[in-house]
Amino acid sequence: DGGITQSPKYLFRKEGQNVTLSCEQNLNHDAMYWYRQDPGQGLRLIYYSQIVNDFQKGDIAEGYSVSREKKESFPLTVTSAQKNPTAFYLCASGYSHYGYTFGSGTRLTVV
Amino acid sequence: ELKVEQNPLFLSMQEGKNYTIYCNYSTTSDRLYWYRQDPGKSLESLFVLLSNGAVKQEGRLMASLDTKARLSTLHITAAVHDLSATYFCAVDQVGSGTYKYIFGTGTRLKVLA
Repeated sequence: DGGITQSPKYLFRKEGQNVTLSCEQNLNHDAMYWYRQDPGQGLRLIYYSQIVNDFQKGDIAEGYSVSREKKESFPLTVTSAQKNPTAFYLCASGYSHYGYTFGSGTRLTVV
Repeated sequence: ELKVEQNPLFLSMQEGKNYTIYCNYSTTSDRLYWYRQDPGKSLESLFVLLSNGAVKQEGRLMASLDTKARLSTLHITAAVHDLSATYFCAVDQVGSGTYKYIFGTGTRLKVLA
């Protein structure tokens, strides 16, 4: 079955540590997106990519980095420059006409 | 800058009652999307509205879009407990040939037995 797989489901980060969240899709979508959700809040766009080897900053890109070396994969790195990374991270892919498909999410906690 | 606002933010309603959630957005867009999120879970697509006057219905939920008023509504008919969730609308922000969704703040719905 086609879909988006995010891993890990839970992730704990120590102060000053970089961590990478995985997002893989087998839907053959060109566009992929990373959103951050804080408790009781809406979703805010971190980065997005419309095509392989190209990506753009969203509204809250500071402290994050991404790569898009393969169509299927769009990993997100939360760097030590992100001072408040505790949140629920959602990856999505798709064409806006059909609505995005979302992964199951990664819950990141600073310890 | 595109802004998307939903109201109410919280909604507690009795089973069997009707209610409407509103989604207003600030700039021109012909496309609007509704999603459902259960606690601790991901987002599930409910409706894709692609033109002015679009109306879609699924079970007890009906969504409509008025692009001239920059308004979408999600109407709940005869609510049941299973509809308890957070509902988000999202609007396409188009610029420089790229598309990205801007989400509303969400409406947390609780249906009481």
